[in-house]
Amino acid sequence: EAQVTQNPRYLITVTGKKLTVTCSQNMNHEYMSWYRQDPGLGLRQIYYSMNVEVTDKGDVPEGYKVSRKEKRNFPLILESPSPNQTSLYFCASRPGTAFYEQYFGPGTRLTVT
Amino acid sequence: GENVEQHPSTLSVQEGDSAVIKCTYSDSASNYFPWYKQELGKGPQLIIDIRSNVGEKKDQRIAVTLNKTAKHFSLHITETQPEDSAVYFCAASKRTTGNQFYFGTGTSLTVIP
Repeated sequence: EAQVTQNPRYLITVTGKKLTVTCSQNMNHEYMSWYRQDPGLGLRQIYYSMNVEVTDKGDVPEGYKVSRKEKRNFPLILESPSPNQTSLYFCASRPGTAFYEQYFGPGTRLTVT
Repeated sequence: GENVEQHPSTLSVQEGDSAVIKCTYSDSASNYFPWYKQELGKGPQLIIDIRSNVGEKKDQRIAVTLNKTAKHFSLHITETQPEDSAVYFCAASKRTTGNQFYFGTGTSLTVIP
């Protein structure tokens, strides 16, 4: 089944404790993105990648890191999480050809206390 | 950067009636406008999209219209059904700049049986 998977789905952590949210897609898509969703703000793009070793900042990259060492994986790293990073996070992927749709993962609910 | 505004934030309609959600964008270079439906506990899913060289697109009960001059686009759902109840997001993207997507703040649609 074609899908984007994220792990973990739920995470409660404390301020300053490094964490990684994994994202993997099995569709051989070139493009991948991370978004955060907050009430009243919609989805905001954190980082995106257009291929292996090619990443760029989205609208809200502060406090986040990403890497794209393999085509299928695009982990999101919070090296020193803070409470304002409490949010619902989505990974998405799409083919590199123009105008193709994005496929979203199921989301990761992160709470930083 | 791009700014996408979406209205209304909440919408209630009787089953069988039509629902209209409107979005405006600021960057005239944006040329791809997808609409996503997000059900509770799930990631957004594309329901329809439109490119800037098209004024209208229809898929069964769902249609999208685009007015490039006014920089606004709308989602129309006819003969609404209870299963249409969800949060809907519009988005805008420039196909020439990689993978950046800008989302509206979402519309919570409730279809009353």
